Parts: sequence; C-alpha cells; structure tokens
Amino acid sequence: EAQVTQNPRYLITVTGKKLTVTCSQNMNHEYMSWYRQDPGLGLRQIYYSMNVEVTDKGDVPEGYKVSRKEKRNFPLILESPSPNQTSLYFCASSFATSGKFYNEQFFGPGTRLTVL
Amino acid sequence: AQKVTQAQTEISVVEKEDVTLDCVYETRDTTYYLFWYKQPPSGELVFLIRRNSFDEQNEISGRYSWNFQKSTSSFNFTITASQVVDSAVYFCALSGTLLYNFNKFYFGSGTKLNVKP
Repeated sequence: EAQVTQNPRYLITVTGKKLTVTCSQNMNHEYMSWYRQDPGLGLRQIYYSMNVEVTDKGDVPEGYKVSRKEKRNFPLILESPSPNQTSLYFCASSFATSGKFYNEQFFGPGTRLTVL
Repeated sequence: AQKVTQAQTEISVVEKEDVTLDCVYETRDTTYYLFWYKQPPSGELVFLIRRNSFDEQNEISGRYSWNFQKSTSSFNFTITASQVVDSAVYFCALSGTLLYNFNKFYFGSGTKLNVKP
C-alpha cells in the first residue's frame, strides 16, 4: 500500500530534550515536506526537500533541522525543543513528471507533539 | 507574496442546509494551483480538489461544488444538502507549478464546519 508514515504519532517531551520525528514514504517520491499545523494559522511549511541531500527552508524553519540521506526518509529534528513548538506536524511526499505540472502531495497521518 | 485567506473561522449549519466556504488568495505567479483539503476529527488530511489557474470552469462532484473566479482571486467551496459527516476543518491551499515554486505550498487558516443533526 502506497503511504507516508510518521513516527511517533504522539509525543510528550520536555524543553531542551532533543527529538526526532521520522517520516518515510514507499512511493519513490523525489519531493518531501514538513508542515506544522496550529490553531488559527493553518498549515505552515517548515522545510522541503527536492531529492537526496537537497533541502530548503520553508516559511517557519527556525528551531528545526532536516536531513535527506535516503530518498524514502525525511526526518525532522528538534535539537532543543521549546513549548512554542507544541503543534501537529505533517510530513508529505510528492513527485513531478513532465505530464503533471501540479504538486500532488501525499500526507502522513500527523504527529502530535507537546513540549512541556 | 503568496497568501491564502479563509475569513470564516467556524460555521455551524443544520443538516441539509447548503453552506459555502470562502477562500481568497494572493499570488504574483501567472500560473498556479489551488486546492481544497478536508480534515475530519480523526486528523488526517483528505484531498478534495485541485484547480489550475487557467481553468475557471466550475466543478461539481456529488454534493460538492467549487467556484473559481480569477477576477476576484477566489476559490469557494459549496456543500449542498450538508450532512453530519461533512463536519470537519476545511483548508484551501495555493501552490506553484512544475515550472516555478513547485515545492511551495500555502495554506489558509482553515474553516471549521459543524453540521448539526
């Protein structure tokens, strides 16, 4: 089954304790993104990746790191989490072809993170 | 700058009523795509529709219809004869194309729709 998986789905942690949220897709997609969803703000893009070892900042990258060492994985790293990073996080993957000019994103199920 | 505005934070209707969710966007791109997603209480994001900037035809899918008006930069979503299962948060989104801004996605703040029996 084609899917994007995220782990963990729920996480409660404390300020300053490094954490990683994993994202994996089995569709061989080149593109992957991370978003955070906050009430009243919708989804905002944190980082995106165009392929292995190619990443770029989205609109809210502060406090986050990403890496893309393998095509299927795109982990989100919070080196020193703070309470303002409490949010619902979504990973997405997509691909581009010459016959399809739009970005059809496949979203993961989301990770709810609470930083105390 | 790219921006999507969903001015309606929350809407409550009674089952079988029609409801329209508004979406207004800003972009300097000449070509772009607009999307609607549904987020039910379970939390996942469900793709509903995609529309490119060159196609202003309205679209109907069952009880759902979409009205794209480039002149007013709006992409509104109407649910006819609403049902309780339509209760969800609905997001409008804007993205670039393969030629430009392909990886940039901009979401509105969402409209929470409550459909009461």
